[in-house]
Amino acid sequence: QLQLQESGPGLVKPSETLSLTCTVSGGSISSSSYYWGWIRQPPGKGLEWIGSIYYSGSTYYNPSLKSRVTISVDTSKNQFSLKLSSVTAADTAVYYCARQATDYGDDYWGQGTLVTVSS
Amino acid sequence: DIQMTQSPSSLSASVGDRVTITCRASQSISSYLNWYQQKPGKAPKLLIYAASSLQSGVPSRFSGSGSGTDFTLTISSLQPEDFATYYCQQSYSTFPTFGPGTKVDIK
Repeated sequence: QLQLQESGPGLVKPSETLSLTCTVSGGSISSSSYYWGWIRQPPGKGLEWIGSIYYSGSTYYNPSLKSRVTISVDTSKNQFSLKLSSVTAADTAVYYCARQATDYGDDYWGQGTLVTVSS
Repeated sequence: DIQMTQSPSSLSASVGDRVTITCRASQSISSYLNWYQQKPGKAPKLLIYAASSLQSGVPSRFSGSGSGTDFTLTISSLQPEDFATYYCQQSYSTFPTFGPGTKVDIK
């Protein structure tokens, strides 16, 4: 059974960089059929797609976040990572990682991790 | 960007009711439409992909239909565990977008 687990600091100071890692177990991140992505959800609000990466390193980003986002992959560790720079309180959210397929939806999700931006 | 809208934004229903949620895309997305269920404090769960395909393990009371710009999610007989928020998502573009959600609560 595929499992995804987010990890990283739960508190980040304004103007600093948010860094999260998603560890994939029970399957290979190098599968040719899927992208691996990040989605966030501010408290009490809806879902926002942040970006996705293919195992080869190809990336797609939300245009509204593109200038601040970097997603990378480490196939040797079966992990992919998110960096979001220059954070503000508006970036406070639960951050989810997920396996994504254009034709089949986002079928596996991590449990989510709350990141709070505060001094 | 492809904008997604949902209606209603919330609804109250009773166990056993038939529930229909509508999702509309700002441009044609063919059948690249997915539906998710989210319960408080939990990650979203994929219910329907490609507009009408039932994800493995999802009860058959859930069904989806539509193509182009207009889509529906139907719950044929609402069960206690179905009270949740439902989101549609287009995966047509390289920038997937979600609808704002429909909260289904107990009448």
